[in-house]
Amino acid sequence: DIQMTQSPSSLSASVGDRVTITCRATQGITNYLAWFQQEPGKAPKSLIYAASSLQSGVPSRFSGSGSGTDFTLTISSLQPEDFATYYCQQYNNYPYTFGQGTKLEIK
Amino acid sequence: QVHLAESGGGVVQPGKSLRLSCAASGFTLSNYAMHWVRQAPGKGLEWVAIISYDGRNKFYADSVKGRFSISRDNSKSTLYLQMNSLRAEDTAFYYCVKDQGITMSLGIDQWGQGTLVTVSS
Repeated sequence: DIQMTQSPSSLSASVGDRVTITCRATQGITNYLAWFQQEPGKAPKSLIYAASSLQSGVPSRFSGSGSGTDFTLTISSLQPEDFATYYCQQYNNYPYTFGQGTKLEIK
Repeated sequence: QVHLAESGGGVVQPGKSLRLSCAASGFTLSNYAMHWVRQAPGKGLEWVAIISYDGRNKFYADSVKGRFSISRDNSKSTLYLQMNSLRAEDTAFYYCVKDQGITMSLGIDQWGQGTLVTVSS
């Protein structure tokens, strides 16, 4: 199975900051990589698919990049509603697998 | 507007069975692959299974293979997850999830609100 490792596991930042979360796969997954956001007590929300394509309605301050084994999610200017947990997921090989999550907290 | 409404969760004893349902609306279910994803309380996300648009192709996580079965009734716009031989470690919120693809995944785009399954004696 492909293992997905996110770093950092937690991150403290302030409103207006630029933050980057990294996701690494144990083998190449081309660009079959998605990012999700989950606020406490809520269902996840889809942000990005195909490594860099924004889902409809997602603010442009979110961006994704990478291919092969290394990927990043960047939030260009943090807003109060962005403090949540973020997950990456590969869908190149079965079984599909998620990263362990990155909790983004207010500094 | 896409809406996915899970039902069927509850408390069940170890070794017993439970069937989850997901009523889909706001889109044509038969045009998309669908998943189940679960999340143990306080833990991360775990992919469970995927089914192609026509129900012919199904794939499962190793942790549920042979015990869980994903199916769909496109005429009823409903996705199912039959869970047998339940274990304590199956305790989780179960999310019904829509894909952008037809047979294989092209990326998840919509999530239901989830239904809680608790396996306990």
